[in-house]
Amino acid sequence: EAAVTQSPRNKVTVTGGNVTLSCRQTNSHNYMYWYRQDTGHGLRLIHYSYGAGNLQIGDVPDGYKATRTTQEDFFLLLELASPSQTSLYFCASSHFYEQYFGPGTRLTVL
Amino acid sequence: GDQVEQSPSALSLHEGTSSALRCNFTTTTRSVQWFRQNSRGSLINLFYLASGTKENGRLKSAFDSKELYSTLHIRDAQLEDSGTYFCAAEMLSGSFNKLTFGAGTRLAVCP
Repeated sequence: EAAVTQSPRNKVTVTGGNVTLSCRQTNSHNYMYWYRQDTGHGLRLIHYSYGAGNLQIGDVPDGYKATRTTQEDFFLLLELASPSQTSLYFCASSHFYEQYFGPGTRLTVL
Repeated sequence: GDQVEQSPSALSLHEGTSSALRCNFTTTTRSVQWFRQNSRGSLINLFYLASGTKENGRLKSAFDSKELYSTLHIRDAQLEDSGTYFCAAEMLSGSFNKLTFGAGTRLAVCP
């Protein structure tokens, strides 16, 4: 079964809306990551964490908060969603090196 | 800032032929990972390299940290190899385990 799962898989919200994306991993990995993927940019790191309660800032953190509640669960929060945050969001986990990705969440902000 | 430059941006191969994808790094890199994204959007980890070469079936990857590049060779291409290939670098100047991705190479394998 899938070791990194994401929910929801698709989400539509309006400008100014509040959105939470969820990620769970059953790999017993320490590191978890949130990326966004946009055409022409590849994947860009938003936030990451190396354990419960820890949060590190990535390369494109503006407009996003994240929280790592347990080793398994990592959440991405958009408190005032904007159309520029329309994107495909991926969660990943790693122990030391190789990163393993979830299936992605497509978010549309109208 | 630190960049990862992938080439070519797009590639079309006939079944049974071979080719190579390349990533150039603008700064010293600890390690590189290669991923394939399929038509459903799923990202699969193909290789992790801190040095040298690795091979898995028809795929072979090399990483030259001194010359700041990595390659992914695809031998005897099959239809299921189609997808977008990304390299991602763990820069020496960055945090441990933090990856910087290239923009990807879109590969189409044709009958």
